[in-house]
Amino acid sequence: EAGVTQFPSHSVIEKGQTVTLRCDPISGHDNLYWYRRVMGKEIKFLLHFVKESKQDESGMPNNRFLAERTGGTYSTLKVQPAELEDSGVYFCASSRTGIEQYFGPGTRLTVT
Amino acid sequence: AQSVTQLGSHVSVSEGALVLLRCNYSSSVPPYLFWYVQYPNQGLQLLLKYTTGATLVKGINGFEAEFKKSETSFHLTKPSAHMSDAAEYFCAVNKGSSNTGKLIFGQGTTLQVKP
Repeated sequence: EAGVTQFPSHSVIEKGQTVTLRCDPISGHDNLYWYRRVMGKEIKFLLHFVKESKQDESGMPNNRFLAERTGGTYSTLKVQPAELEDSGVYFCASSRTGIEQYFGPGTRLTVT
Repeated sequence: AQSVTQLGSHVSVSEGALVLLRCNYSSSVPPYLFWYVQYPNQGLQLLLKYTTGATLVKGINGFEAEFKKSETSFHLTKPSAHMSDAAEYFCAVNKGSSNTGKLIFGQGTTLQVKP
């Protein structure tokens, strides 16, 4: 069984540009989560999808972040326009039960 | 609100020595508790979890943790450290049976194992 995959693994963009991160969950997992770790800080929750619906988006920092999960399969997280403080590692996780979450390897985003 | 505190951002042990990584939490509802490990250049891997029932839980790679409600703790232990245990460890909590799945993480503890 394939694990959670994320693309790209690294992204370097300039301030003001747009970046789209992609997450492919484990097949059959209705729950999909996005988290972020800024350098030196703890991993923080961004949002939670159940199938294609946003169950909880309380962690989204501002309206420059847009997450979608069309069709309830893969998800994208778009940052537009990117700011310096958006740099960090973005993790995606999926879960069948909503209890055990399986994490992807993360996307390291650097905004210069 | 829930929170997690991991005591010690860096822990160093000798190979073969006891590993003890500390985690304390606060939660207004019965929590579910988790330990994750991140090896270099990899994602987070679930080590073990506590939901209900037996308070001593065993995980992968010889790790175990004990849920102590009275102390609001969920410390991670391993009797004998191996070089391959060097990694960053994260304690996490969610709201148990009333949860949306949102995990609250501690700051992480980097474990160094010396030969």
